[in-house]
Amino acid sequence: QKEVEQDPGPLSVPEGAIVSLNCTYSNSAFQYFMWYRQYSRKGPELLMYTYSSGNKEDGRFTAQVDKSSKYISLFIRDSQPSDSATYLCAMSGVSDYKLSFGAGTTVTVRA
Amino acid sequence: ETGVTQTPRHLVMGMTNKKSLKCEQHLGHNAMYWYKQSAKKPLELMFVYNFKEQTENNSVPSRFSPECPNSSHLFLHLHTLQPEDSALYLCASSPAAGGSYEQYFGPGTRLTVT
Repeated sequence: QKEVEQDPGPLSVPEGAIVSLNCTYSNSAFQYFMWYRQYSRKGPELLMYTYSSGNKEDGRFTAQVDKSSKYISLFIRDSQPSDSATYLCAMSGVSDYKLSFGAGTTVTVRA
Repeated sequence: ETGVTQTPRHLVMGMTNKKSLKCEQHLGHNAMYWYKQSAKKPLELMFVYNFKEQTENNSVPSRFSPECPNSSHLFLHLHTLQPEDSALYLCASSPAAGGSYEQYFGPGTRLTVT
């Protein structure tokens, strides 16, 4: 079983739609949960991070963590063509230096 | 840009060549990382340096040799690579290696081994 599972997609949505992305994981020691965005020909950039369970909102982006289900989500409201990218989930334990990544979900927002 | 630069951006090399990848971070961080990114696969951590000391070698073949002369520079020396080593090689940095959730990535070097 992979440590982090993420549906690779691809996911195609019309502009203005809500994009829903998720990952599941198996390691109960994970405490930090991150979402990275990677545009084509670029390196990943940290979009949001959440510590332990709960929700975090930043503009059009909402991250949710449900540690009891070992499930994390990222929602993008009012999606724009500029949101077209690959979204990677990542997670780590406290004081870990290693991030465990999902394979990434490719999202296309159609104008 | 993220403050982490990588050169070259693209590299084509034969299996008998020797080449080096360079990474530089301008963020004042103390930890630096090499990752391999292959299509449809999660990022694979290769090496970690914390305050110039290697703290992780994730069972990487010896044909990959890292070097970290200071906290701002990281190299990956390549020799006698295999075609399956073709991938995007990403460098990242973070303030320190513990609690590394906040990693900043460079744009990567796209490596093709012929």
